[in-house]
Amino acid sequence: GENVEQHPSTLSVQEGDSAVIKCTYSDSASNYFPWYKQELGKRPQLIIDIRSNVGEKKDQRIAVTLNKTAKHFSLHITETQPEDSAVYFCAARGVTGGGNKLTFGTGTQLKVEL
Amino acid sequence: EAEVAQSPRYKITEKSQAVAFWCDPISGHATLYWYRQILGQGPELLVQFQDESVVDDSQLPKDRFSAERLKGVDSTLKIQPAELGDSAMYLCASSYRLSGANVLTFGAGSRLTVL
Repeated sequence: GENVEQHPSTLSVQEGDSAVIKCTYSDSASNYFPWYKQELGKRPQLIIDIRSNVGEKKDQRIAVTLNKTAKHFSLHITETQPEDSAVYFCAARGVTGGGNKLTFGTGTQLKVEL
Repeated sequence: EAEVAQSPRYKITEKSQAVAFWCDPISGHATLYWYRQILGQGPELLVQFQDESVVDDSQLPKDRFSAERLKGVDSTLKIQPAELGDSAMYLCASSYRLSGANVLTFGAGSRLTVL
């Protein structure tokens, strides 16, 4: 099945700086890569996603890039703000063994310091 | 905004007892998922339904866990007997299909503590 690795596990940045979180996946046939933000005690919420036919997608201060050859994708947050502090999870939708199964990374605890 | 409903929000039980969690997906979402999230880790898929049929339960510990979605709408996840290692957040999610990919919406979760 799909295996997703995520780095770093913790990330601390100063307000206004950029943050980058990286993930790799194992199933070369995976075709959908969402990112979820989970604030303490709350449900994971989708913040951005990208499909395998696109190399980059941007939504205001958030962008995601995908390198299918290398099987890795990254989340970029620019001009970070305190409210960006949360745990971020990447995920990959594997095709092998049955479609529509999202496999999540282990999460990155982002802390934006004033 | 439509939400996935889950209950109970919190459950404390002793080991060897039975527990059950309920989920009501967003109306019209045919696909329903149960995930388990251990503190400090990402969600792990336990079972996935398409309507009333199970399409993936490969990670469900079937000796103690069971899940059903009898009418293809709401779903119940049961654990019997509960073990200490079952302490976790149990997240239900549902999805529609958008441009070839299922976009998941999670419920608030049911936090289980096994003593």
